[in-house]
Amino acid sequence: GDSVTQMEGPVTLSEEAFLTINCTYTATGYPSLFWYVQYPGEGLQLLLKATKADDKGSNKGFEATYRKETTSFHLEKGSVQVSDSAVYFCALSEWTGNQFYFGTGTSLTVIP
Amino acid sequence: DAGVIQSPRHEVTEMGQEVTLRCKPISGHNSLFWYRQTMMRGLELLIYFNNNVPIDDSGMPEDRFSAKMPNASFSTLKIQPSEPRDSAVYFCASSFSVGTYGYTFGSGTRLTVV
Repeated sequence: GDSVTQMEGPVTLSEEAFLTINCTYTATGYPSLFWYVQYPGEGLQLLLKATKADDKGSNKGFEATYRKETTSFHLEKGSVQVSDSAVYFCALSEWTGNQFYFGTGTSLTVIP
Repeated sequence: DAGVIQSPRHEVTEMGQEVTLRCKPISGHNSLFWYRQTMMRGLELLIYFNNNVPIDDSGMPEDRFSAKMPNASFSTLKIQPSEPRDSAVYFCASSFSVGTYGYTFGSGTRLTVV
């Protein structure tokens, strides 16, 4: 079945450091891939998405590229800020599906 | 658009009481999902509806939980009787086309059962 595996957290970085959060997936069909962010006390918000291989999703300085050959969708940001402290979830949905498969989430703390 | 609206934001109740959580999806979205989030188990899908019809309720933990969607603009999740282990944040999400647009989540209801 479909599944998503995320790197374990928590991750602690200094401000302006480079961020990578790894995400790999298993899918039977042609999935769309997503990153969601959850700030403390809030719901999950869509951060970025990619719907086909080699697509790059980007938003707020974050990027992720849909790599079919490595079944990966790693999240990156060149220079993190304190305000990026949150939990990040990788997720997939089959193109014709109606459900998400979420990773377990990676907690990021950015210190000044 | 106001987004997915959940109420109440916080609920504290005594064990054995009935609890009803409410959700108003985004207008035009045809799928609605109820999730539960805890530190121990993370995000769990409880049930989802497509065009107001329950499609998969295999995630509902037990018969104490029930969900309804009487029309396209309203859904409820009811717990009766509530137990302390039901304490969690309950999220509602809606979507028009999951594979294309993903979900839009509400802000959640934090339930505490004492």
